[in-house]
Amino acid sequence: NAGVTQTPKFRVLKTGQSMTLLCAQDMNHEYMYWYRQDPGMGLRLIHYSVGEGTTAKGEVPDGYNVSRLKKQNFLLGLESAAPSQTSVYFCASSITSGGEGEQFFGPGTRLTVL
Amino acid sequence: GENVEQHPSTLSVQEGDSAVIKCTYSDSASNYFPWYKQELGKRPQLIIDIRSNVGEKKDQRIAVTLNKTAKHFSLHITETQPEDSAVYFCAARSVGRRALTFGSGTRLQVQP
Repeated sequence: NAGVTQTPKFRVLKTGQSMTLLCAQDMNHEYMYWYRQDPGMGLRLIHYSVGEGTTAKGEVPDGYNVSRLKKQNFLLGLESAAPSQTSVYFCASSITSGGEGEQFFGPGTRLTVL
Repeated sequence: GENVEQHPSTLSVQEGDSAVIKCTYSDSASNYFPWYKQELGKRPQLIIDIRSNVGEKKDQRIAVTLNKTAKHFSLHITETQPEDSAVYFCAARSVGRRALTFGSGTRLQVQP
């Protein structure tokens, strides 16, 4: 089992460019999450999904879109990147809702927006 | 929505000493409180969790206590070792909300 994987590991964008971050899990988990991690601010939830074809907003959804077309994949899109979106992005999945039970995290994607 | 505050932001202890990290939450309906450990450059990993019907839970050198009346919970690490050095995050889940709210993290440094 690979667990939760993220692609890419690093990326540098210019302001206004777009990109998609891919999260994949092979544990057959229903719930998937996208977080951003900034120094001194912990993990903040961007969007999450409670099942294939569903998405919901988290604490900081502005500037991001997501899709869950397949149960194993959760995509995070930045349509027009801004320097404020420079961060480390973590994807996570869990078998039960709201992390009541363990959330398994991916290795993270370090994104820099110039 | 839920708000979770975590203190201290940094903590330095000598090897063998105990470390305590405290979190408070705002939503009295919260019912699940996990703790995650993140080593430098790695992903967060669950180390212990507690549910609202339990006051204390232990797993070897780590323990978590929950005070529902005061709306706070704490992580206790005894006999600290250098490999305990990491950032620790608390989190809370409100009833009906299908996601966690994380605290801002505590950087624990265990001095050999």
